[in-house]
Amino acid sequence: AQTVTQSQPEMSVQEAETVTLSCTYDTSESDYYLFWYKQPPSRQMILVIRQEAYKQQNATENRFSVNFQKAAKSFSLKISDSQLGDAAMYFCAYRRRSFGANSKLTFGKGITLSVRP
Amino acid sequence: DTEVTQTPKHLVMGMTNKKSLKCEQHMGHRAMYWYKQKAKKPPELMFVYSYEKLSINESVPSRFSPECPNSSLLNLHLHALQPEDSALYLCASSPVPRQDQNYGYTFGSGTRLTVV
Repeated sequence: AQTVTQSQPEMSVQEAETVTLSCTYDTSESDYYLFWYKQPPSRQMILVIRQEAYKQQNATENRFSVNFQKAAKSFSLKISDSQLGDAAMYFCAYRRRSFGANSKLTFGKGITLSVRP
Repeated sequence: DTEVTQTPKHLVMGMTNKKSLKCEQHMGHRAMYWYKQKAKKPPELMFVYSYEKLSINESVPSRFSPECPNSSLLNLHLHALQPEDSALYLCASSPVPRQDQNYGYTFGSGTRLTVV
């Protein structure tokens, strides 16, 4: 079974600074997808960034980028120029590459990020 | 339209009540999901529908009854719930993954359910 581990329950960052959120995972699959989701107090889960395991290049989306280390099974999220609106709970998630809807999205426990003005 | 809409946003119900949660999307997604989320915890999968057919039931108690009447709509019927069922119920949708493609889900804002 796949597992996703986020070992830091909370982190804090100064506005405009950079912060890195850690995530490790365990799987026996070779093809899979990794995601970071953001859940602000408004409750909606928002997809921040996605990484395909077969791609060596790290994904980036504006101020968000990942450091994907496939051999180490590590998938960290870097947030640059942190903004107050980045304060939220962040979940790392895994889904194996497959056909059909029966491939589940497995979440880590999440990390609460606070941004200091 | 790139949203998943859930109604109601808040619901308080007694243990003998029957109520329903509604989820709607118009993105053409043919996979839809119900998740249960407790405070400060990750979402837990309850049900998966693929092409309007139930494909995964994660051993959810029968007091939760899902229904997918068409490709845009997903309901969760609630009956005889317990206080421990109080949680945020999230609906999500995605295209049905193909072998060469996979997608993250689009989530709704959830229904905050309180059972008294």
